[in-house]
Amino acid sequence: AQTVTQSQPEMSVQEAETVTLSCTYDTSESDYYLFWYKQPPSRQMILVIRQEAYKQQNATENRFSVNFQKAAKSFSLKISDSQLGDAAMYFCAYRSASTGNQFYFGTGTSLTVIP
Amino acid sequence: DADVTQTPRNRITKTGKRIMLECSQTKGHDRMYWYRQDPGLGLRLIYYSFDVKDINKGEISDGYSVSRQAQAKFSLSLESAIPNQTALYFCATSDPRLRAGRQETQYFGPGTRLLVL
Repeated sequence: AQTVTQSQPEMSVQEAETVTLSCTYDTSESDYYLFWYKQPPSRQMILVIRQEAYKQQNATENRFSVNFQKAAKSFSLKISDSQLGDAAMYFCAYRSASTGNQFYFGTGTSLTVIP
Repeated sequence: DADVTQTPRNRITKTGKRIMLECSQTKGHDRMYWYRQDPGLGLRLIYYSFDVKDINKGEISDGYSVSRQAQAKFSLSLESAIPNQTALYFCATSDPRLRAGRQETQYFGPGTRLLVL
């Protein structure tokens, strides 16, 4: 089974600053999808951004962007101009494009935004 | 209104009791999933269903069963609850018919917090 590793259990950032959350994954496949989900205190899982492995261009959604390094199997999330509402648990997830429909989640990074 | 709903939102039960967690969706998606979330372990897949006649075990199905009553409903049962099933449970949906780039995305319900005493 694929594994997804988030090596930073907790991170903090000053409001309006930039923070990067790390994610690495282990796979032998060439075609797959990667996701970042946000879980605020409300417990809702909210999709932040997705990346298709066949695309070289890094995905961007407003203040959120990724640094996708396929050879290194790295998928980090950059949050620019951090806001108080960004405080949450962030989960990295992997899904194969060909073998079944299972998502593999990392253990999460808890992000604190300091006013 | 939320597209994916879960009932109850919170539940306390005793060891040995049978309980059912329910999930309903108005997104029209064929695929539905049940996950549990434990601190430090992330989300792990319990069961998933590609349609009403297709149910598959996930990573941690022991002690759980599911029922796909209709396209919109997917229930998770604990036949005899035990304390280590205390967790946050999420239902999710996805739709392979969506255009490329969106079909693989999972949409989550608000979660059910279960405490087994």
